[in-house]
Amino acid sequence: AQSVTQLDSQVPVFEEAPVELRCNYSSSVSVYLFWYVQYPNQGLQLLLKYLSGSTLVKGINGFEAEFNKSQTSFHLRKPSVHISDTAEYFCAVSEINFGNEKLTFGTGTRLTIIP
Amino acid sequence: DTAVSQTPKYLVTQMGNDKSIKCEQNLGHDTMYWYKQDSKKFLKIMFSYNNKELIINETVPNRFSPKSPDKAHLNLHINSLELGDSAVYFCASSQGQAYNEQFFGPGTRLTVL
Repeated sequence: AQSVTQLDSQVPVFEEAPVELRCNYSSSVSVYLFWYVQYPNQGLQLLLKYLSGSTLVKGINGFEAEFNKSQTSFHLRKPSVHISDTAEYFCAVSEINFGNEKLTFGTGTRLTIIP
Repeated sequence: DTAVSQTPKYLVTQMGNDKSIKCEQNLGHDTMYWYKQDSKKFLKIMFSYNNKELIINETVPNRFSPKSPDKAHLNLHINSLELGDSAVYFCASSQGQAYNEQFFGPGTRLTVL
């Protein structure tokens, strides 16, 4: 069965500093990987996803993530954060299942930007 | 225009009552989902429908019954509400498979007293 672990429940970062949010997954088969962001009192929004190809994936708002199969990780990075990046970030995994994919989410990482 | 809308936004009710949450998407997608987010922000899939057909039912109690009258709507009816049903319920939609971008509604905060 697929599962996701987000190692940090909260990450405070100073404005304009770099940030890395960690995500590790577990699965016995090949997977798709995702990062979604939830701004306060809103639904989730896709930041980026890895389906195949280049292991470095670029998303919206300057975020990027790298798929590392040997370490079963998909960490999210941004070189310089802004106040508007304050949100909850969810990593998700889906085992490749030929039309029956479903997303399993991690427990989220709250990113707080300190002015 | 709101892409995925849910009503109501807040729902406060007593244990044992029956309630419904409605979801509509105007994106032309053929797949819709219900997720439950608990107080610890853990988000879990409940159901997914493709072209009005149930695709995923994630061991949700029978008290929860989704209904999809057409591709643009997926409603959630809950019978005999329990304290543990208190959560935020999100509707989402995608075109085709779940690995395509899912668009989420703003959520419905259900509080069972």
